[in-house]
Amino acid sequence: ETGVTQSPTHLIKTRGQQVTLRCSSQSGHNTVSWYQQALGQGPQFIFQYYREEENGRGNFPPRFSGLQFPNYSSELNVNALELDDSALYLCASSQGQGLTYFGPGTRLTVT
Amino acid sequence: AQSVTQLDSHVSVSEGTPVLLRCNYSSSYSPSLFWYVQHPNKGLQLLLKYTSAATLVKGINGFEAEFKKSETSFHLTKPSAHMSDAAEYFCVVSLSGGYNKLIFGAGTRLAVHP
Repeated sequence: ETGVTQSPTHLIKTRGQQVTLRCSSQSGHNTVSWYQQALGQGPQFIFQYYREEENGRGNFPPRFSGLQFPNYSSELNVNALELDDSALYLCASSQGQGLTYFGPGTRLTVT
Repeated sequence: AQSVTQLDSHVSVSEGTPVLLRCNYSSSYSPSLFWYVQHPNKGLQLLLKYTSAATLVKGINGFEAEFKKSETSFHLTKPSAHMSDAAEYFCVVSLSGGYNKLIFGAGTRLAVHP
């Protein structure tokens, strides 16, 4: 098991609501990335944070936003939830551009 | 643009027989390539990584992969499948240039039968 933890494990929300997912990076890692994995697909890069600044973004709308805190933990916020946002959200941490380690994910269901 | 294509969405083998999971990549320069495994209801685990050193890369649990530039391939193999190898496998290329973005293939589901 990696040292990356995520909470909650599962979450059910209604369309239009907002959600916050949390991630604690592995000790010593200063870079956190978030990925969305829809059912039956490979993970897709949402964005990356390095030392509290967004450092790269994938093809996701602005209603997907994030934060990284001084202890390198991170949050993913999604506003105005849509049914297609239902997915497994994976947090990953690394030391700069070193090896990437993934957390177990948060399963989000939007109804 | 960098991308990976996993040539088989499902592979089924018998326990004790060899495993071959195929991956082709597209990259404008020498890529960093990875294989990750995802067991049901578990996170992604790194199996192995290629970063332009030896072309034959050994990973965990008896897996290995060979980088073939002429064929733009990075196939994953294992001499003898075990029941515990049943999982989803992802071929991944790293997009560098300022940040560490991983681009995943669609995945190959490996089934292992007794």
